[in-house]
Amino acid sequence: NAGVTQTPKFQVLKTGQSMTLQCAQDMNHNSMYWYRQDPGMGLRLIYYSASEGTTDKGEVPNGYNVSRLNKREFSLRLESAAPSQTSVYFCASSELNNSPLHFGNGTRLTVT
Amino acid sequence: DAKTTQPPSMDCAEGRAANLPCNHSTISGNEYVYWYRQIHSQGPQYIIHGLKNNETNEMASLIITEDRKSSTLILPHATLRDTAVYYCIVITSGTYKYIFGTGTRLKVLA
Repeated sequence: NAGVTQTPKFQVLKTGQSMTLQCAQDMNHNSMYWYRQDPGMGLRLIYYSASEGTTDKGEVPNGYNVSRLNKREFSLRLESAAPSQTSVYFCASSELNNSPLHFGNGTRLTVT
Repeated sequence: DAKTTQPPSMDCAEGRAANLPCNHSTISGNEYVYWYRQIHSQGPQYIIHGLKNNETNEMASLIITEDRKSSTLILPHATLRDTAVYYCIVITSGTYKYIFGTGTRLKVLA
């Protein structure tokens, strides 16, 4: 079991470029999440997907879009990257609501 | 969801018990207390959770006060590998918004 896999691990973008962060889980979990973590800060919820076919905004959704492609995959898209989006992005999954979250190892994104 | 308050940092001697407090004074009856930790820049790792009873697993113990307004995570014999940021969060049953605060940075000293 790989758990939660995020790609890429590192990415550098120029302001205005777009990209998609990929996340896949092999635990047959229903719910998936995207968080960002700025240096020295805690995690902030961007979007989540309670189940396949649904997505909802978290604390800081502006500037991002998500797609729950199927039960396994949940992608995060930056349409026009800004330096303020420089951060580490973590994907997580859980079996149900009120179940422990399982995190990936993060994507480190720098926007110049 | 109830907010949580944790001290920003704590030190603990290796081999001693580490007791990490969390205040969640506005918690309601259907809200669970969860603890996670984050070592270096890795993804957070689940430790333990509880509703109102004390809980114990192979990693830690969770003590929740009778009024449920605070809790303590106990690492019974801290090792250097337990140096991490520990997050206490409260989650309402039936919702999905796991909101993390800034946590407690625990440093285990040799």
